[in-house]
Amino acid sequence: DAMVIQNPRYQVTQFGKPVTLSCSQTLNHNVMYWYQQKSSQAPKLLFHYYDKDFNNEADTPDNFQSRRPNTSFCFLDIRSPGLGDAAMYLCATSRDYRSEQFFGPGTRLTVL
Amino acid sequence: SQKIEQNSEALNIQEGKTATLTCNYTNYSPAYLQWYRQDPGRGPVFLLLIRENEKEKRKERLKVTFDTTLKQSLFHITASQPADSATYLCAPPNNAGNMLTFGGGTRLMVKP
Repeated sequence: DAMVIQNPRYQVTQFGKPVTLSCSQTLNHNVMYWYQQKSSQAPKLLFHYYDKDFNNEADTPDNFQSRRPNTSFCFLDIRSPGLGDAAMYLCATSRDYRSEQFFGPGTRLTVL
Repeated sequence: SQKIEQNSEALNIQEGKTATLTCNYTNYSPAYLQWYRQDPGRGPVFLLLIRENEKEKRKERLKVTFDTTLKQSLFHITASQPADSATYLCAPPNNAGNMLTFGGGTRLMVKP
């Protein structure tokens, strides 16, 4: 059974057109993370929620926003996608900070 | 600042041999370190966690060591199989100990 689900798996958007990626989890984990991963690079943490507490990484552009309306769901909003935002976006969850992270399959974003 | 280094060159080995992947870290001393496997186009999957007071951890054909003096973790796959071909990521926590910092990964190719 899928534990971390991401939709859609593939997203194509136009330069500057807002896009929302979604993530849901059935694990009831406290922490949800959003990572950006470009080809042959390490996953880069954008932000995370511990319960309802939002934590932004210092170098995450303002263009990226997130919402966590409840324990199960988390959204990544890209307000004005640029060509440099084309990447794989990974959602992950963990029980707490030191526990293993469970990743979703990712959403591959293409910006035209 | 903390730095995590994995060999960016692919490791090619013959089926049945032992694969050894290296993760070096500098400028800090993480209390633990996690290893993940990532297949192309998929999210990482947790494999093992090793703590600073553990010299070695095993899981089936996998073995991880953690040398706090050398600031290095080694990841071994014994009796390797073509199905083990993937990218392997090491992930110690950051300086604050609350977020994982992923290395760039090493791609392993096991040839039949």
